[in-house]
Amino acid sequence: SQTIHQWPATLVQPVGSPLSLECTVEGTSNPNLYWYRQAAGRGLQLLFYSIGIDQISSEVPQNLSASRPQDRQFILSSKKLLLSDSGFYLCAWSVQANEQFFGPGTRLTVL
Amino acid sequence: GEDVEQSLFLSVREGDSSVINCTYTDSSSTYLYWYKQEPGAGLQLLTYIFSNMDMKQDQRLTVLLNKKDKHLSLRIADTQTGDSAIYFCAERDYGQNFVFGPGTRLSVLP
Repeated sequence: SQTIHQWPATLVQPVGSPLSLECTVEGTSNPNLYWYRQAAGRGLQLLFYSIGIDQISSEVPQNLSASRPQDRQFILSSKKLLLSDSGFYLCAWSVQANEQFFGPGTRLTVL
Repeated sequence: GEDVEQSLFLSVREGDSSVINCTYTDSSSTYLYWYKQEPGAGLQLLTYIFSNMDMKQDQRLTVLLNKKDKHLSLRIADTQTGDSAIYFCAERDYGQNFVFGPGTRLSVLP
């Protein structure tokens, strides 16, 4: 069966520090991968999606970047965090794209 | 652009039925989804409906789709305290993207 992992589960970082969040998927090949951000009390905002290795599309201009160095690995990064980057970051995958499955999320607090 | 709207809050008594409503703007939506998010957790896919269907039932869950009005609803029968969560409506068009609503926070009162 397919599983999706995210780490770390929680992270507290100072403003201006770098960020690296990792997402890996098991049990499937060539998935579509997604990064979402959920700000406190708000819905989901799609940040990036990827249909293959090194193929990344960005939905909104922002302080973050994404990379997909391997088929089932999706990384969200920042060189310098802003206070507004705080939120709950969710990775998701889909194959055939009629269902999308989410990871457990990473709660990022920028101080 | 595409937009999905939901009311933000709903309160019901335990044992009553809950109805969570959603409207969307994209007439090319192929699939429509309901997700559940419990506190501090990721999203759990509850059910989805293909756009050429108007109803889908799965145990206590009933999804109704009015494609003409672009209206989707989720009915939870015999609502329990464990149903308290945020429920997200989402739609997918012919592309690779999913568009989510803001979520409806369901509170189940004893």
